[in-house]
Amino acid sequence: GENVEQHPSTLSVQEGDSAVIKCTYSDSASNYFPWYKQELGKGPQLIIDIRSNVGEKKDQRIAVTLNKTAKHFSLHITETQPEDSAVYFCAAPNNNDMRFGAGTRLTVKP
Amino acid sequence: EAGVAQSPRYKIIEKRQSVAFWCNPISGHATLYWYQQILGQGPKLLIQFQNNGVVDDSQLPKDRFSAERLKGVDSTLKIQPAKLEDSAVYLCASSLWGGLAGGPEQYFGPGTRLTVT
Repeated sequence: GENVEQHPSTLSVQEGDSAVIKCTYSDSASNYFPWYKQELGKGPQLIIDIRSNVGEKKDQRIAVTLNKTAKHFSLHITETQPEDSAVYFCAAPNNNDMRFGAGTRLTVKP
Repeated sequence: EAGVAQSPRYKIIEKRQSVAFWCNPISGHATLYWYQQILGQGPKLLIQFQNNGVVDDSQLPKDRFSAERLKGVDSTLKIQPAKLEDSAVYLCASSLWGGLAGGPEQYFGPGTRLTVT
């Protein structure tokens, strides 16, 4: 089955800096890669996703890149703000369900 | 559009007791998922329903966990009897459809935080 590795587990940046979170996956058949943001006491919220027919997707300050050959995808957040502080999860499909990474706790210091 | 609703939000029980969680998915979403999220980890799928049928329950500990979605809308997840290691957040999610690796967007509820003492 699918195995998703996520790095780093914690990330601390200064407000205004960029943050990058990386994930690798094992199943070459995977073709949909979502990223979720989870704030304290809430469920994960989909913030961006990418399908395997594109290499990059951008939505304002958030972008995701996909390298299918290397089987890795990354989340990029530019001009970080304190409200970006949360736990971020990547995921990749495994048959009928999603396999999630272990999460990255991002802290943006004002 | 209303999101995925879950109740209760918090539950504390003693080991060997029983507990049930309820989920109401987004209207029109055929697929419903129950996940277990242990502190510091990503969500792990327990069971997936397509309408009122089970698509995948391979990771559900069937000796103590059960779930149903009788009318293809609301769902309940039950643990009987609970163990200490069941302490976690139980998340419900729904999507328009499911079952393909190209996967639809999943929308999560706020979760139920279960503490077993």
